[in-house]
Amino acid sequence: KAGVTQTPRYLIKTRGQQVTLSCSPISGHRSVSWYQQTPGQGLQFLFEYFSETQRNKGNFPGRFSGRQFSNSRSEMNVSTLELGDSALYLCASCTGTGLSNEQFFGPGTRLTVL
Amino acid sequence: AQTVTQSQPEMSVQEAETVTLSCTYDTSENNYYLFWYKQPPSRQMILVIRQEAYKQQNATENRFSVNFQKAAKSFSLKISDSQLGDTAMYFCAFMKQPNNDMRFGAGTRLTVKP
Repeated sequence: KAGVTQTPRYLIKTRGQQVTLSCSPISGHRSVSWYQQTPGQGLQFLFEYFSETQRNKGNFPGRFSGRQFSNSRSEMNVSTLELGDSALYLCASCTGTGLSNEQFFGPGTRLTVL
Repeated sequence: AQTVTQSQPEMSVQEAETVTLSCTYDTSENNYYLFWYKQPPSRQMILVIRQEAYKQQNATENRFSVNFQKAAKSFSLKISDSQLGDTAMYFCAFMKQPNNDMRFGAGTRLTVKP
């Protein structure tokens, strides 16, 4: 079974631009979560989508948004980029139901904002 | 709010020896899950071990075991017979059910020396 894939792996943008990151979950997984990883703040939860609906949301400004499609693929969008948005963005998928909810992570997208 | 604390930013161990990584957490919940994730230099997060709070028995996965002290809110990871491939960042994580909002500690960088 293929793992979680994220595209692109690397991105360079300038302040004020917007960016869209993509995540394809493991087949059969209906939940996709997004995390931001930075040296200063560590790993922080952005949001989770389940069956095309945002189910949980972390404490990030509205510039960070996402969506999920009927095939469970998810996209994350960041508008009006700031230097502080430079980070590794990780997505993780799981079944979204049951007691286990073990999350499987993708390799991440490294975003650099200049 | 749940918080996860890893008090050891860096640790090192000689190959074949045993090392214990510490983790404490704060929650008012009774049902939750605890995880240890490994992030090697390649950046792919991998689940090492999982513990359900309702289970009294400590989880074990081959050379990896945990010491789960629910009353003390402590969840340490023991790595036996350390191998060079164990060199990585180790993150302790907490997840409340049914919420998939996973909270991570700051991480412990483990180096296994030959």
